Amino acid sequence: DADVTQTPRNRITKTGKRIMLECSQTKGHDRMYWYRQDPGLGLRLIYYSFDVKDINKGEISDGYSVSRQAQAKFSLSLESAIPNQTALYFCATSDFLAGPYNEQFFGPGTRLTVL
Amino acid sequence: EDKVVQSPLSLVVHEGDTVTLNCSYEVTNFRSLLWYKQEKKAPTFLFMLTSSGIEKKSGRLSSILDKKELFSILNITATQTGDSAVYLCAATTNYGGSQGNLIFGKGTKLSVKP
Repeated sequence: DADVTQTPRNRITKTGKRIMLECSQTKGHDRMYWYRQDPGLGLRLIYYSFDVKDINKGEISDGYSVSRQAQAKFSLSLESAIPNQTALYFCATSDFLAGPYNEQFFGPGTRLTVL
Repeated sequence: EDKVVQSPLSLVVHEGDTVTLNCSYEVTNFRSLLWYKQEKKAPTFLFMLTSSGIEKKSGRLSSILDKKELFSILNITATQTGDSAVYLCAATTNYGGSQGNLIFGKGTKLSVKP
């Protein structure tokens, strides 16, 4: 089984709709992240969380919100989706205590299309 | 502003060729440089570099970091079609609340022709 899972894997929605993307991990990592990837732009950080009581904005948080419901679960919400939020979204985890500058582990991604 | 720049943005080679991918960085309180390979969806980890001049090697892939000149290279020898992917470079910082966060470059798309 995958260590980092994301649901849904693909989603098509309409402008103005609220949508939630979910991420779960079985790695026992404390840190979780949400990124979006657009063609030619690399990965950009939306939000990150150190633990269930800690939420931090990343580079491009406007139009997004997150919830860390448990150490293993981190969800991303688009309150009112707009077409320029069409992108590939990745969840990632890392074990800060094992090494704060070590690698992050990525989920399979969610392809979101906003019409 | 922290930034990571990769070059070239795309590259087409033939099987058997050797390629060098470049990554330069300007990051406050730099701590480590990471390389990822992204084929279909999720990026997968290749290397983490923290010290200058020490080569990391895995099969036909190798990477080295130069902290004085602020760059890293990823070499792939005897390329195969399975090496076709986007290669991502990322830097981490020891700066305030961003400690450990990854700052990504835009990636290099490598296409290996048979």
